[in-house]
Amino acid sequence: DSGVTQTPKHLITATGQRVTLRCSPRSGDLSVYWYQQSLDQGLQFLIQYYNGEERAKGNILERFSAQQFPDLHSELNLSSLELGDSALYFCASSLTIGANVLTFGAGSRLTVL
Amino acid sequence: AQKITQTQPGMFVQEKEAVTLDCTYDTSDQSYGLFWYKQPSSGEMIFLIYQGSYDEQNATEGRYSLNFQKARKSANLVISASQLGDSAMYFCAMREGRGNTPLVFGKGTRLSVIA
Repeated sequence: DSGVTQTPKHLITATGQRVTLRCSPRSGDLSVYWYQQSLDQGLQFLIQYYNGEERAKGNILERFSAQQFPDLHSELNLSSLELGDSALYFCASSLTIGANVLTFGAGSRLTVL
Repeated sequence: AQKITQTQPGMFVQEKEAVTLDCTYDTSDQSYGLFWYKQPSSGEMIFLIYQGSYDEQNATEGRYSLNFQKARKSANLVISASQLGDSAMYFCAMREGRGNTPLVFGKGTRLSVIA
């Protein structure tokens, strides 16, 4: 157990729907990162939050949004889902912004039918 | 251009043998960090080892060592005494600069350990 908790582990939904993925970082970690892992694109950085504020943005679609709450948990919202959004979504956390090591959660596997 | 290149999509190794997984990187920064992560079939990403660009010694963590050749821009992972539990995907990753830059991953190498 890495200490980073992601829910749900698996999610199956239909095109056009909206889902929310949740992440609780490791105790004491202030920074949260979201990554998408798909077969064709590999592991892609989506977005990073630090202590409630957005700090870095990667290849995140406009249909996707995220936030980090005062208790430091984070949510990734995916809307108007398309087949191509099917992927494994990882949350990772680190103590500080520029920390060397990211600790990953077990991922949330999203299947869009 | 690819920042991280892993040229071996799949590798086989006999149990108890050593194996080297290749990784080359591309950066113009002087300061950067190199990482290896393991992803077993269960899906989680497990941190294995880290090498900073200014570290003079190769990093080692138990059976894992990182063969860092700065001039060649390579950061190969060496796993000694392979075990069946080492069968997994292995990802090389890099973080450039000193600031808040994202971790960029390679495509990965699937390692299969044979009894």
